[in-house]
Amino acid sequence: DAKTTQPPSMDCAEGRAANLPCNHSTISGNEYVYWYRQIHSQGPQYIIHGLKNNETNEMASLIITEDRKSSTLILPHATLRDTAVYYCIGMDSNYQLIWGAGTKLIIKP
Amino acid sequence: DTGVSQDPRHKITKRGQNVTFRCDPISEHNRLYWYRQTLGQGPEFLTYFQNEAQLEKSRLLSDRFSAERPKGSFSTLEIQRTEQGDSAMYLCASSLAGVRGYGYTFGSGTRLTVV
Repeated sequence: DAKTTQPPSMDCAEGRAANLPCNHSTISGNEYVYWYRQIHSQGPQYIIHGLKNNETNEMASLIITEDRKSSTLILPHATLRDTAVYYCIGMDSNYQLIWGAGTKLIIKP
Repeated sequence: DTGVSQDPRHKITKRGQNVTFRCDPISEHNRLYWYRQTLGQGPEFLTYFQNEAQLEKSRLLSDRFSAERPKGSFSTLEIQRTEQGDSAMYLCASSLAGVRGYGYTFGSGTRLTVV
């Protein structure tokens, strides 16, 4: 089962790209990596997920290393509304998400 | 379908009282999860249902907690004889079972304060 490790906090200037790293060295070959974020006092919000290939959607890009031991979530043009806790999550063999403590991302004007 | 709905959004109760929360998942989702989240922590798994069957319960789910999903649609989470340590955000999520690459959709949560 994939356990993930993230830095506890990061800052990013408004308008710049925010790059959030995640280590998941124990991930197995068929385990997806999911990213969620949680804005204060709200439920977690799905951002993106990936298996092997890099992924992009309207919210973010996900870069997964070839060995799949780590990934980076990229918010291309961070805004103040992107301030949140970002969770990099694995899924266990029973399709359950395995949550860590996340990275608190603060976007500064 | 507007997503996962939770009711109420906020609940303040006196210690020792019983409380019940409701979750309405996305209609085509067959799995429903309950999580608890305290300040500064990630969500902690409590229990989940596949259709109406409760398939797993966390050790966090003491005897005072009970969850039901009687018809495989909405679910309720009841806490009996509430304690101050039960104060937390209770999150509900739903998903499609057995579909890798399909994440969860969360509700906005019910914030419980036990005074």
